[in-house]
Amino acid sequence: DAKTTQPNSMESNEEEPVHLPCNHSTISGTDYIHWYRQLPSQGPEYVIHGLTSNVNNRMASLAIAEDRKSSTLILHRATLRDAAVYYCIPLANQAGTALIFGKGTTLSVSS
Amino acid sequence: GAVVSQHPSRVICKSGTSVKIECRSLDFQATTMFWYRQFPKQSLMLMATSNEGSKATYEQGVEKDKFLINHASLTLSTLTVTSAHPEDSSFYICSASLQGLSYEQYFGPGTRLTVT
Repeated sequence: DAKTTQPNSMESNEEEPVHLPCNHSTISGTDYIHWYRQLPSQGPEYVIHGLTSNVNNRMASLAIAEDRKSSTLILHRATLRDAAVYYCIPLANQAGTALIFGKGTTLSVSS
Repeated sequence: GAVVSQHPSRVICKSGTSVKIECRSLDFQATTMFWYRQFPKQSLMLMATSNEGSKATYEQGVEKDKFLINHASLTLSTLTVTSAHPEDSSFYICSASLQGLSYEQYFGPGTRLTVT
């Protein structure tokens, strides 16, 4: 499994953009980069995933470095509900592959 | 989006008893389901991978005779904690993978198990 490195914690203010970095320098060439988040006392929630190109959805944007050794999850306007632990996870694009969670980044959002 | 439910959401049992946790995919068929546990202030730890109609694959260090997993249909997997002890108290979470090209996984809300 590819090893990932994320900051233990980050802080943001409401309505401001948040950039959550992740290093995955040993990622396989065919692994997708998935981001999940876990709100307190809940199961994780899918956020976004990508392979090489930057990706956007209603929740966030994902910027992937050209060499794929790092990526950044971008929350364009943080809200209090975005306070969670964010996990960056390389995942092989094949059925039956489990997500292996690292420690993630705990995001705090202040009003 | 795809929905996964778990039942019960919270259970308290006495030491030595067994507890069954259900995981259901409500609006899609899941060939594969996964079971995780999470201790306070720690990350999720994969326990086992459950495939419909076949035996589960357990991670190293997880006792298959203690944590019985059954995946009898494409929408239901169960985890039974047998002869539970206080150290089994944890947050148990299941996830299901969509069949097909998308490998996003959808997680249940978790089951809080407390063994007294």
